[in-house]
Amino acid sequence: SQQGEEDPQALSIQEGENATMNCSYKTSINNLQWYRQNSGRGLVHLILIRSNEREKHSGRLRVTLDTSKKSSSLLITASRAADTASYFCATALYNQFYFGTGTSLTVIP
Amino acid sequence: DAGITQSPRHKVTETGTPVTLRCHQTENHRYMYWYRQDPGHGLRLIHYSYGVKDTDKGEVSDGYSVSRSKTEDFLLTLESATSSQTSVYFCAISGTMGGSTGELFFGEGSRLTVL
Repeated sequence: SQQGEEDPQALSIQEGENATMNCSYKTSINNLQWYRQNSGRGLVHLILIRSNEREKHSGRLRVTLDTSKKSSSLLITASRAADTASYFCATALYNQFYFGTGTSLTVIP
Repeated sequence: DAGITQSPRHKVTETGTPVTLRCHQTENHRYMYWYRQDPGHGLRLIHYSYGVKDTDKGEVSDGYSVSRSKTEDFLLTLESATSSQTSVYFCAISGTMGGSTGELFFGEGSRLTVL
């Protein structure tokens, strides 16, 4: 399987706290992407980090990438109840995308 | 929002019947994908297309076929549905970003139940 793995599988935090999710993958990549999925909906792209980048920021999101360890992390700062969703990492190589198993985040108001 | 429409959104069928799911895009993107999503497995790639009449298998392609006769339409067919194909199916599209792999845009999903 070319799927990656994410941990933790589930995470529950209080509003205002930071949430960190980790992704490990197996293949070479052009870039790595993070997606969000609200219950019953399609996935929505959050952020993309290229293979030659180590860190990237977008609003309250911070992504890191370590290609030597084949791992990435997503940090959501100052979480809000509206951040409650599932989060997936996806590796991208030559227009093929493989997803991790996802982290279910619950932010408690 | 990217213009991606999946149909039908919900379908219940019986084992052994053929099923076709349709994905329609209005973005003129070159790449189109079919994924299935199951608890504990995340999203798994079934088939993808890199142009009209150009398709290739993903990691879980057994029991599925696809066709792309026009840029905007990508069809997923289950020739003889089985209960193991009960799942939520997502279509996604992608362009390129400066010549490199871009991001995916997803449809809202098609929930298929095979009895």
